[in-house]
This record gives sequence, structure tokens and C-alpha cells, in this order.
Amino acid sequence: GAVVSQHPSRVICKSGTSVKIECRSLDFQATTMFWYRQFPKQSLMLMATSNEGSKATYEQGVEKDKFLINHASLTLSTLTVTSAHPEDSSFYICSASRGRLQETQYFGPGTRLLVL
Amino acid sequence: AQKVTQAQTEISVVEKEDVTLDCVYETRDTTYYLFWYKQPPSGELVFLIRRNSFDEQNEISGRYSWNFQKSTSSFNFTITASQVVDSAVYFCALTNAGGTSYGKLTFGQGTILTVHP
Repeated sequence: GAVVSQHPSRVICKSGTSVKIECRSLDFQATTMFWYRQFPKQSLMLMATSNEGSKATYEQGVEKDKFLINHASLTLSTLTVTSAHPEDSSFYICSASRGRLQETQYFGPGTRLLVL
Repeated sequence: AQKVTQAQTEISVVEKEDVTLDCVYETRDTTYYLFWYKQPPSGELVFLIRRNSFDEQNEISGRYSWNFQKSTSSFNFTITASQVVDSAVYFCALTNAGGTSYGKLTFGQGTILTVHP
């Protein structure tokens, strides 16, 4: 159990377009999901916490108008990178919390975004 | 504030060697959870283990073992008889069990493990 999927796995887009990334918990319900960004050879950087039915909580320095998060159901959260620019190119990873105290995060396979 | 330090940036070993990945953490919380995740070249983070702050028992799972010592705030990970498939980046992480940052993971910088045949 505890499978998290992400779609697409890889996307290449032109500068100025918007890209939507989906994160799904396949075999459990997740009240809370998280979105991370990872640069090459670096650790994960938390972007925002997504709670089902409420607004996402963004980390300091993350533009909420740039990275739109929607957690429409207990199994789906989406991240939309609006008007993407080359500096938004990165590896985006989502996770979903599970456990008696929702303390364990299970991660999706990640989405590699390349903005030309 | 919470902090996780993985002092070893890169480790290189030859197959069948044992290797220990160090993790030292800082937190003011009395209740917290510690984790190890593996990130192979494919990119997906694989959950390996969770430990809560009240359980200092060491754990063994196959070739993997973990040594949790609250006295030194360390949660080290040992791979016995390493294999090429163990090559990956390994992250140690910490979360508290309450408060405004509940559920958020604080990651270490990661240790790149390369196992040569």
C-alpha cells in the first residue's frame, strides 16, 4: 500500500505557457499532500502544503500566484505552474501523508519540467 | 527550529563492503519522527523507515539496519554487504508530532552512495 502517482513524468513546454501536474494517492486517502522542488544534486525544498478542501499553505519565498495548488479531493492534488519561464525548470515531487498521526509521507515519482 | 545534518556528501564503496550513513538532527520537540528515504537515479523517493522519538530500539531489515541514539541525536543507517543496486541518494528527515509545522519534513542534504562492482 501507500502508492502515490504523478502525471506527467516529464514535460517540455515553451516559455509563457502553463503546466499542470497531478498527484494522486492510489490506495489511500490523503488529507494532506505536499509539493516539493528539487534542483540537481540538492535536497528537496518544500514549496507548499496542500490540504483537502482548503487553501494551500505556501512556504516563504514561494509565489502563490505562480504555483497554483488545488486539493480537490482526498486523492488528488494539482500543481499548476503558470506562465512558466526557464528558471521554473526543475524536478517537482509531491507526497501524501499517511499514518495514525499522518506523520509519514509517501512520495510520487516526480515530474521533470523543462521550459524552453 | 529543526535541522538535519548528513555530513557525508558522497560515499564510494566496493560491492560487499559495509557502509554507514550518518545523520544528526536538532529539534526542541520531545515528540518527533525520523525517517530515511532512498532516491535512486529514477528520482522517486522510496520510504525506508520511520522511527518515533520514544522508540530507541535499533531495527534490522535484511541488509539494512538503523541505530537511533537520542543521547547523541543521531539516526545512522548501515547497509551490510552493499550491492550495486544500493547506489542512490539517501536522505534522512525529521518531522515533529505537533505544532504549526506538524507533518512537514526537514530533510538533510543527502548522501550520494556509489557502490562499485
